[in-house]
Amino acid sequence: AQSVTQLGSHVSVSEGALVLLRCNYSSSVPPYLFWYVQYPNQGLQLLLKYTSAATLVKGINGFEAEFKKSETSFHLTKPSAHMSDAAEYFCAVTTIQGAQKLVFGQGTRLTINP
Amino acid sequence: ETGVTQSPTHLIKTRGQQVTLRCSSQSGHNTVSWYQQALGQGPQFIFQYYREEENGRGNFPPRFSGLQFPNYSSELNVNALELDDSALYLCASSLDRGSGNTIYFGEGSWLTVV
Repeated sequence: AQSVTQLGSHVSVSEGALVLLRCNYSSSVPPYLFWYVQYPNQGLQLLLKYTSAATLVKGINGFEAEFKKSETSFHLTKPSAHMSDAAEYFCAVTTIQGAQKLVFGQGTRLTINP
Repeated sequence: ETGVTQSPTHLIKTRGQQVTLRCSSQSGHNTVSWYQQALGQGPQFIFQYYREEENGRGNFPPRFSGLQFPNYSSELNVNALELDDSALYLCASSLDRGSGNTIYFGEGSWLTVV
């Protein structure tokens, strides 16, 4: 079975500062990993995904994430936070086996301080 | 805008009633999944449909059922509603059922059970 742990339910950074949202996964087979963003009262929007190609994945809105197998991590970063980045961020894992089922973490709420 | 549309956007039901939620997948997508997102939680996989057949199910009781139609639109039905069924229900579609395919989410249907 797969699982995802997002360290920190709330992260607060200043505008212009580095954003780092942590995600660790557990999977007995090679994983596919995703980061989604959810703005208030909206659905989920895909930021980026890792599907066993390059370990450094670039996504939309300046975000990127690095797959580190040895650390079972897939942390999300952005060099310079913008006010519009305030949202809930979810890390998710699935595998090549079985149904296309995403297993999500609990989410991290990102707050940007002016 | 993901091209996945859901209806209704909000509804209130009484405990014990039945509800039907509807989803139109993105054009050309043959795979539809449903997720339940309780307040403050990450989404949880309910089930997936591929070409009108159920293709995987999460840990939800049988009173959660679904359909996929020939045009690949889908319905989620919940019978004997309980207070804990109050949640955001997300529909997601993808081009095919392979796990590497990008999954696109709709805006969701907010269900309140009173």
